[in-house]
Amino acid sequence: GNSVTQMEGPVTLSEEAFLTINCTYTATGYPSLFWYVQYPGEGLQLLLKATKADDKGSNKGFEATYRKETTSFHLEKGSVQVSDSAVYFCALSASFGNEKLTFGTGTRLTIIP
Amino acid sequence: DTGVSQNPRHKITKRGQNVTFRCDPISEHNRLYWYRQTLGQGPEFLTYFQNEAQLEKSRLLSDRFSAERPKGSFSTLEIQRTEQGDSAMYLCASSFLDRGYNEQFFGPGTRLTVL
Repeated sequence: GNSVTQMEGPVTLSEEAFLTINCTYTATGYPSLFWYVQYPGEGLQLLLKATKADDKGSNKGFEATYRKETTSFHLEKGSVQVSDSAVYFCALSASFGNEKLTFGTGTRLTIIP
Repeated sequence: DTGVSQNPRHKITKRGQNVTFRCDPISEHNRLYWYRQTLGQGPEFLTYFQNEAQLEKSRLLSDRFSAERPKGSFSTLEIQRTEQGDSAMYLCASSFLDRGYNEQFFGPGTRLTVL
């Protein structure tokens, strides 16, 4: 079946540090890949997505590239801020027409000033 | 556009009781999804609707669980004879099916605690 494995947390970084959160997936066919973010006290929000190999999703300074050869979709940001503190979930949907999401376990990120 | 809403936000019940949760999707969205999230885990898919039709149910959805979307608008998720293992956050999401992928918008969730 489909699965997502992401870097376990928690991750603590200083402000302006470089961030990488690793995500790898297992799926048949050509899944779409996503990063969702959950800020404290709020619901899940889509951060970025990529729907085919070599696509780069980007939003709010975050980026992730769909690498089919390594089945990966690592999240990166060049300079994190305190406001980026949240839980980040990598997810996939396996096929068009049924976009149910398969999530990783989440990575809690804390940025200290 | 008020987003996806869920009620109640919190529910505490005793083992063996029945509970019902409601989800109101974004008004023009024709797809509605239910997920369950336990502590320290990512959300897990339970079921989804296109309009009023329930198109798929996860194996996680035992016979004690039932979901409806009677008029293709709001949805309810009922759990009968609750068990302590049902304690979790229940998330609802909606989307508009069109060409290509359509973003799922999540509600704030209903946190269920079974004593």
